[in-house]
Amino acid sequence: DAGVIQSPRHEVTEMGQEVTLRCKPISGHNSLFWYRQTMMRGLELLIYFNNNVPIDDSGMPEDRFSAKMPNASFSTLKIQPSEPRDSAVYFCASSPPGTGANVLTFGAGSRLTVL
Amino acid sequence: DQQVKQNSPSLSVQEGRISILNCDYTNSMFDYFLWYKKYPAEGPTFLISISSIKDKNEDGRFTVFLNKSAKHLSLHIVPSQPGDSAVYFCAASRNYGQNFVFGPGTRLSVLP
Repeated sequence: DAGVIQSPRHEVTEMGQEVTLRCKPISGHNSLFWYRQTMMRGLELLIYFNNNVPIDDSGMPEDRFSAKMPNASFSTLKIQPSEPRDSAVYFCASSPPGTGANVLTFGAGSRLTVL
Repeated sequence: DQQVKQNSPSLSVQEGRISILNCDYTNSMFDYFLWYKKYPAEGPTFLISISSIKDKNEDGRFTVFLNKSAKHLSLHIVPSQPGDSAVYFCAASRNYGQNFVFGPGTRLSVLP
């Protein structure tokens, strides 16, 4: 299993540009999560999907952020327009069905720098 | 209003000694707790978990203790090794769910 795959690994863009981050979860996992890591706030949950349906997006900072999961093997996190304060590492994670022993498997992250 | 707190941003320990990382939570509905370890330029990886029906869980050199009345858990690493140097995140969820709330992390440095 290749694990959770994220792309791009690094993105440098200018303020005002659109940024799209991509994630491929582990096959068979039915929940997908987007987290953001910053020095100040650590790991924050932005949004999570269960069976491709967004369940909780209360962590999405503002309307500039949007996430989609068109199928079980792909998700995107889009920022439009991007701002310097969006600079962070964005992690995607997935977890399998069931309860009681669920753990998250994280991707390697996408480091975003907005100039 | 952080629900999961790790009040020590960093910790340094000598190789071979015990490392104790602490985590406090405010939400009494949390019933499942995880510790993750993160190396630079990598995603966090699962280390150990504990459910609220237990007060201790052990896996090799790693032991997690849960004190529900104090809303406190700790991770003990014995003996500490230089390869344990990483950022450790505590995470908690409700109803054994998958929506985990993470603490800000503690950077552990194990000195040879």
